[in-house]
This record gives sequence, structure tokens and C-alpha cells, in this order.
Amino acid sequence: GESVGLHLPTLSVQEGDNSIINCAYSNSASDYFIWYKQESGKGPQFIIDIRSNMDKRQGQRVTVLLNKTVKHLSLQIAATQPGDSAVYFCACSYNFNKFYFGSGTKLNVKP
Amino acid sequence: DTEVTQTPKHLVMGMTNKKSLKCEQHMGHRAMYWYKQKAKKPPELMFVYSYEKLSINESVPSRFSPECPNSSLLNLHLHALQPEDSALYLCASSQEPGSEQYFGPGTRLTVT
Repeated sequence: GESVGLHLPTLSVQEGDNSIINCAYSNSASDYFIWYKQESGKGPQFIIDIRSNMDKRQGQRVTVLLNKTVKHLSLQIAATQPGDSAVYFCACSYNFNKFYFGSGTKLNVKP
Repeated sequence: DTEVTQTPKHLVMGMTNKKSLKCEQHMGHRAMYWYKQKAKKPPELMFVYSYEKLSINESVPSRFSPECPNSSLLNLHLHALQPEDSALYLCASSQEPGSEQYFGPGTRLTVT
């Protein structure tokens, strides 16, 4: 099985600052990781993914870092905007199996 | 078309009712999923269909019955639900089982 946790349930940042959301996973065999953003009243939206053969992947204003040694995943959002306010979930899977979701971090962006 | 659509958006049903939730995708994805999400909690996997066959049932009570009529459609039939089944029901699809999943907006279900 897998347990996926996040270090902070709520994160408040000032608009324009960088945000870092962390996630720990327990199964060292996990080989695929996704970050999702869920706004109120909507379904989760794919942000970025990374496979276990990489340790960093960048998208538009977002970067995912994977540290397999300590089984830790992070999402960095540059120049955080009010539209980034949402709940962020990490999810991991292994061997093309089902995804296990973390408990979620709520990101509040203060203007 | 890069969307997963779900109907209805909202559903209120009594404990003796029978209703169905519908999900549709036209991305050619071969895996489809049902999740249940309670308030302030992560999505919980219920069922996985892979190439139109049920591949995972996460020990879901039989009052929830999934159906995959074709590769684009996924239904969730509901019967004799309990108030604690009230939740947001999310459908997702992926190109292949285990690849990135795209979620629909969900159906907000209230059981009275």
C-alpha cells in the first residue's frame, strides 16, 4: 500500500512570493507522481507530473522536485498569484497501478 | 475535446431512490475512474475501468454499481444509499491505466 502525507494543511503566502508545498510518501517503489490543484466546487486539475527517473521537472511557474532518498516531493510555485489559491494534492502510483492521494494543502494567497 | 463531462452537477435523492451518475470523455482514453470525495478530504478511489473492463473495485458497497457501456462512457448506478454517501463524486480518465488522470467537475450528491 501507500500512505501519502503533506507537511502543512494550510499555507498562507503574500502575492508575488514563491510557494513551496511538500509531500511525503511511504512506498519506495512509487514511480510516478502528480500534483493536482483543486479549486472550490471543481474537480482536481492536473498541474505537473514527474517520474522516478527524474529529480526535477519544470512547467510554467511551477517546479516539482523529487527526492527518492527521503521519499519526498515538493511543488514550487513562482510569483504566486491570487488565482493560485486552491487545495493542492500530491498523488503517487507504482507500476501503472492506482493513485494514492495525499491529504491536501490549502494555499491562501494574500493580496 | 479535452474535457471530462459529468451529469448531473447536483443530485438530491432519498434513501429509497434509484439514480445514475454519468461521465463522458472523447479523448480516446482507455481507462476511466470513479472517485468519492468528502469535504476537505482527498479523492478516494472507488472503481477503475481499463479497456471497458472493471479492473479495480475498492471494496465499494453494492449499493454503488458501475457500468461502462463503451470506451467513452462511464455510469455509476445508485440504489438505497445512506446519508453518509453524500459527497462529491468525481469521474476521471487517462490515456492508459496508471497514466495522468483528467478529472471531471464532479456531481454533488446529497442523500436525504
